[in-house]
Amino acid sequence: AQKVTQAQTEISVVEKEDVTLDCVYETRDTTYYLFWYKQPPSGELVFLIRRNSFDEQNEISGRYSWNFQKSTSSFNFTITASQVVDSAVYFCALSGSSGAGSYQLTFGKGTKLSVIP
Amino acid sequence: DGGITQSPKYLFRKEGQNVTLSCEQNLNHDAMYWYRQDPGQGLRLIYYSQIVNDFQKGDIAEGYSVSREKKESFPLTVTSAQKNPTAFYLCASKFRTVYNEQFFGPGTRLTVL
Repeated sequence: AQKVTQAQTEISVVEKEDVTLDCVYETRDTTYYLFWYKQPPSGELVFLIRRNSFDEQNEISGRYSWNFQKSTSSFNFTITASQVVDSAVYFCALSGSSGAGSYQLTFGKGTKLSVIP
Repeated sequence: DGGITQSPKYLFRKEGQNVTLSCEQNLNHDAMYWYRQDPGQGLRLIYYSQIVNDFQKGDIAEGYSVSREKKESFPLTVTSAQKNPTAFYLCASKFRTVYNEQFFGPGTRLTVL
């Protein structure tokens, strides 16, 4: 069975602060895929990043960065110099490579980020 | 422009009525999905389809039905058997290869009166 845990239900930060959203996952697959999505107040989920289990290189995209550590089964997301437009619910998700898990995304419950001006 | 459309955006239903939510994509994706989102619950999978004329139950399929007669379309019917249908429903699609990400539509908010 696959599981994704986002222990932070809600986070509030003041604009320009850095913030890290935590994601811990469980899977028995040796090959798997991790994702982050953003859900702004409009409701539509926006894809942010995909990471393959065999690629532990961290990634930076503008103010966003992701830290993938297989040893601790974590895939954390950091926003640098947060802005009000970053206010949203962020979901971490996992897809396996075998059986039904290869076609499904298992989502965490999400972290609601509020950036205060 | 390529994308996923869902209609209607808001839907109100009386108890005992069946309603159908529309999902259309023009991304040439093979697989399509329906999720339900409740406050604090994250997204839960209702049904998914990897190819035309085939679909599989997800984690919470009871009270729902789907069809996949065309590659572009994957409508979801919420039947009267669904005991608590008020929720936000999201449709998604992707290419069939394992590593591809899912792309989501704008969602339909269903309220039972």
